[in-house]
Amino acid sequence: NAGVTQTPKFQVLKTGQSMTLQCAQDMNHNSMYWYRQDPGMGLRLIYYSASEGTTDKGEVPNGYNVSRLNKREFSLRLESAAPSQTSVYFCASSEQGKYGYTFGSGTRLTVV
Amino acid sequence: AQRVTQPEKLLSVFKGAPVELKCNYSYSGSPELFWYVQYSRQRLQLLLRHISRESIKGFTADLNKGETSFHLKKPFAQEEDSAMYYCALNGGDKIIFGKGTRLHILP
Repeated sequence: NAGVTQTPKFQVLKTGQSMTLQCAQDMNHNSMYWYRQDPGMGLRLIYYSASEGTTDKGEVPNGYNVSRLNKREFSLRLESAAPSQTSVYFCASSEQGKYGYTFGSGTRLTVV
Repeated sequence: AQRVTQPEKLLSVFKGAPVELKCNYSYSGSPELFWYVQYSRQRLQLLLRHISRESIKGFTADLNKGETSFHLKKPFAQEEDSAMYYCALNGGDKIIFGKGTRLHILP
């Protein structure tokens, strides 16, 4: 009954460092998403993958890259972290969005 | 344009009083709408979908196509309802979220 699993839960980076946020789902969903959540801004879509082998930019893709490694896994990479990327990152998956998303527990990232 | 608007950032309601969280949408086709809830420092959870016409934790929401609204209602607020609530719209290949309303239940 894992659903969507994100790692790590917390991370502190220095400006300019890189890291990859991992996400995996065990519900056989085709679609996966990365959002960031900031106070007063709600949830903003970074990248999404409608199906294995495809990725598309969302609302705020700059500074990020993604990889849909297989149907289960969808990773988000920050190549050179900036303080503006301090946020809570959520991964989600769905079956074409029709029945809503299942969210992971989030990664709280601080860039100093 | 596809858009979800939640006009209230914060809503404070006394325990036992009725709750209404407003949501308006803009969508050219037949909309599919959701409400999500996020309790303090937890993941977002699906609260309800308009297509299933459910009532979860005493909350209901009715789609009003004429007013393009999907307001969330509960007749009697409870302290455990304090949370962040997001209205969302199925935009085809992705779900579009409103900016959220923080519901604060006063004792």
